[in-house]
Amino acid sequence: GESVGLHLPTLSVQEGDNSIINCAYSNSASDYFIWYKQESGKGPQFIIDIRSNMDKRQGQRVTVLLNKTVKHLSLQIAATQPGDSAVYFCVYHGSGNTGKLIFGQGTTLQVKP
Amino acid sequence: DAGVIQSPRHEVTEMGQEVTLRCKPISGHNSLFWYRQTMMRGLELLIYFNNNVPIDDSGMPEDRFSAKMPNASFSTLKIQPSEPRDSAVYFCASSLRQGTGELFFGEGSRLTVL
Repeated sequence: GESVGLHLPTLSVQEGDNSIINCAYSNSASDYFIWYKQESGKGPQFIIDIRSNMDKRQGQRVTVLLNKTVKHLSLQIAATQPGDSAVYFCVYHGSGNTGKLIFGQGTTLQVKP
Repeated sequence: DAGVIQSPRHEVTEMGQEVTLRCKPISGHNSLFWYRQTMMRGLELLIYFNNNVPIDDSGMPEDRFSAKMPNASFSTLKIQPSEPRDSAVYFCASSLRQGTGELFFGEGSRLTVL
């Protein structure tokens, strides 16, 4: 079956440091991954996505790395800010063009001032 | 744009009562999704529509749950009769097109069934 899992349930970092959130997946056919952020009391928010024909993609202060060999995905946040405190979800996009997103359990990022 | 609008934001009801959750997607978006979030099960996809047509309802828990999308700007999720285990936050999301990973979520409807 398919699963999207996170290595750590909670990550605590100092403001200004870089954060790395990891994710493992089991389905070799996975070809599209997305990271979402959910702040307390709000709905999830799209951060960045990556397709399997890439191994790195950068956004504003965020970088996603994909290692298909070991089925591992990571989200790097540069210069972490208090506003980055949230739950981060590694999301797998269902095969084909179905539009079905499968969310992992999430990693809580706590930013200490 | 106002984003995805959900109502009510909070609902407390008694077991056995009917619950109707409402969603207005972003104008121009062709796909609409209903998710449920609980501590135990995380975020689960219940059903999604493309161009108002249900595409995948395999996540709908049981016959007590039903969803409709009568037009491009409105969808409902109904639970009848409700049970305590239905207590959760229900999210509606929309996307510009089928197959994109960028969904826009509403702020959710928190349902408590006593």
